[in-house]
Amino acid sequence: AQTVTQSQPEMSVQEAETVTLSCTYDTSESNYYLFWYKQPPSRQMILVIRQEAYKQQNATENRFSVNFQKAAKSFSLKISDSQLGDTAMYFCAFMGPGGGADGLTFGKGTHLIIQP
Amino acid sequence: DVKVTQSSRYLVKRTGEKVFLECVQDMDHENMFWYRQDPGLGLRLIYFSYDVKMKEKGDIPEGYSVSREKKERFSLILESASTNQTSMYLCASSRPLAGGNNEQFFGPGTRLTVL
Repeated sequence: AQTVTQSQPEMSVQEAETVTLSCTYDTSESNYYLFWYKQPPSRQMILVIRQEAYKQQNATENRFSVNFQKAAKSFSLKISDSQLGDTAMYFCAFMGPGGGADGLTFGKGTHLIIQP
Repeated sequence: DVKVTQSSRYLVKRTGEKVFLECVQDMDHENMFWYRQDPGLGLRLIYFSYDVKMKEKGDIPEGYSVSREKKERFSLILESASTNQTSMYLCASSRPLAGGNNEQFFGPGTRLTVL
């Protein structure tokens, strides 16, 4: 079984700063998918970014990028030019090679607070 | 846009009651999921379904059952609610990987309180 670890329960940064959220995982699979989901105070979970393990290039989505280190089983999320609307719970999640029919494994989450 | 809706945002029930949480998705997704979210524990998978009338246990199925009679609807059932089932319940849906985008789309959640 796979596990996902987010070691930072809470982080706080000033608006416009860059922040990195860490995530490590453990799996015996060679092909899999990794996700970062965001849950704002209104509670709707939305996908931030996705990485396929067989792709060496790190995924980017506007101000969001990941540092995927497959050998180290590390998948950190970098938020550049942070904004007040980035305040949310962030969850790292693992999906096995089956494509997700059996669900995601989530970390415990990081509460990110962007201070004005 | 994919839309996943849940029947209630907030629900208060008494110990021993039978509770139904309903989830409906409008994008013809094959896969549907029920997660439970607790502070400091993240999301944990209760049950999932990859087809109508199919159901599989997730990581914490004890005390729960599910029903999927139609493709768009996935119900979570608490046969006899207990106080330790007070939690946030999130429903999600997705396409199979062969369908391309395997992102899971989540509903707004149901905050269940069992007194």
